[in-house]
Amino acid sequence: AQSVTQPDIHITVSEGASLELRCNYSYGATPYLFWYVQSPGQGLQLLLKYFSGDTLVQGIKGFEAEFKRSQSSFNLRKPSVHWSDAAEYFCAVVMGFSGGYNKLIFGAGTRLAVHP
Amino acid sequence: DAGITQSPRHKVTETGTPVTLRCHQTENHRYMYWYRQDPGHGLRLIHYSYGVKDTDKGEVSDGYSVSRSKTEDFLLTLESATSSQTSVYFCAISDQDIETQYFGPGTRLLVL
Repeated sequence: AQSVTQPDIHITVSEGASLELRCNYSYGATPYLFWYVQSPGQGLQLLLKYFSGDTLVQGIKGFEAEFKRSQSSFNLRKPSVHWSDAAEYFCAVVMGFSGGYNKLIFGAGTRLAVHP
Repeated sequence: DAGITQSPRHKVTETGTPVTLRCHQTENHRYMYWYRQDPGHGLRLIHYSYGVKDTDKGEVSDGYSVSRSKTEDFLLTLESATSSQTSVYFCAISDQDIETQYFGPGTRLLVL
């Protein structure tokens, strides 16, 4: 079955530490990949996306993500976390379906807490 | 930020009553979507629209209907609200089918 997995429900890091949020997908072809961030009480904001080309993509707020086809992964990274990065992060994947509609499938999210 | 507004932003209603949520965009994007967000599930697609009067079901469409009579407006109706429809509802828009989706601020719905 086509799915998106974010293995970590909650992550806590210290301010200034590095961060990696994991995302794995199950899909037979090359997907379109996204990371969104949601601050409390807010909508979702796009951090970055991968459609094709260089497998290391840069996003806003100092985030980057790397597409690894062999591992079916699209992990999000940041070298130094700021307190304002505390939020919930969603990985999302467009996977083609037999009906022709390419639907955006979300992972369950990873909630990031940042200690001062 | 994409020009997307949702109304109301918060609503409390009783089981069995009809509820309509509105999504309004100023971007003239072709595609519009309704999602619901529940803990542990991320966002799940309820219905989407690929043009005026053109709509289709998503993965959790039971109990919901939609209408799109103008490019800028996409309405989500709960015909007879149930407690299981207590959720946060997000509208999204995109210019093309596989292009980036931009999200509205959400509507928090509580069904008592």
